[in-house]
Amino acid sequence: DTGVSQDPRHKITKRGQNVTFRCDPISEHNRLYWYRQTLGQGPEFLTYFQNEAQLEKSRLLSDRFSAERPKGSFSTLEIQRTEQGDSAMYLCASSPNEGVGNTIYFGEGSWLTVV
Amino acid sequence: AQSVAQPEDQVNVAEGNPLTVKCTYSVSGNPYLFWYVQYPNRGLQFLLKYITGDNLVKGSYGFEAEFNKSQTSFHLKKPSALVSDSALYFCAVRDNAGGATNKLIFGTGTLLAVQP
Repeated sequence: DTGVSQDPRHKITKRGQNVTFRCDPISEHNRLYWYRQTLGQGPEFLTYFQNEAQLEKSRLLSDRFSAERPKGSFSTLEIQRTEQGDSAMYLCASSPNEGVGNTIYFGEGSWLTVV
Repeated sequence: AQSVAQPEDQVNVAEGNPLTVKCTYSVSGNPYLFWYVQYPNRGLQFLLKYITGDNLVKGSYGFEAEFNKSQTSFHLKKPSALVSDSALYFCAVRDNAGGATNKLIFGTGTLLAVQP
């Protein structure tokens, strides 16, 4: 069990550029979540996948954000036309499919700084 | 709507003293409660959870939490604090209001500072 892996860990980009983050969940975890965390705040839910199906998207996820999980394994989160307000840590998490009591495990996060 | 509240932005405690980090919750139905710890510039690490059963839950690194249904609280505790426990602690509730997501809803976090 190698844990949830996220790449890159840090990204600095100019306003208006597109960025993409990748998440590799724990093997055989069907559920995958993306969260966003800004300084001094708790993580906020962005979107959820069960296998390859994106089943829920937060209102925080504007049209500039898109997430995919094409084969039900790794996932990508793309932000188009980045804005300074997008600066945050983007956290990926995964959990097994069965049971609402299952633990959700988080990756180390991907820090985005938009300049 | 499900929610958790962490009333203290920061808790200060001397090394060796007991610590408590407070959390209260509001849920419809059965609560599924979690504590996570976050060290600077790192992701969240799972500490412990309450699903059902004993009200006192034991977790990683000597932490434990007490579920109190009448007070709708789930306070995190440790008998003897270490300087290395200094970090940001998050309480979370699993969203079981409907649908398949069961996502976690987090509090705003409490910064624990343990002085040597």
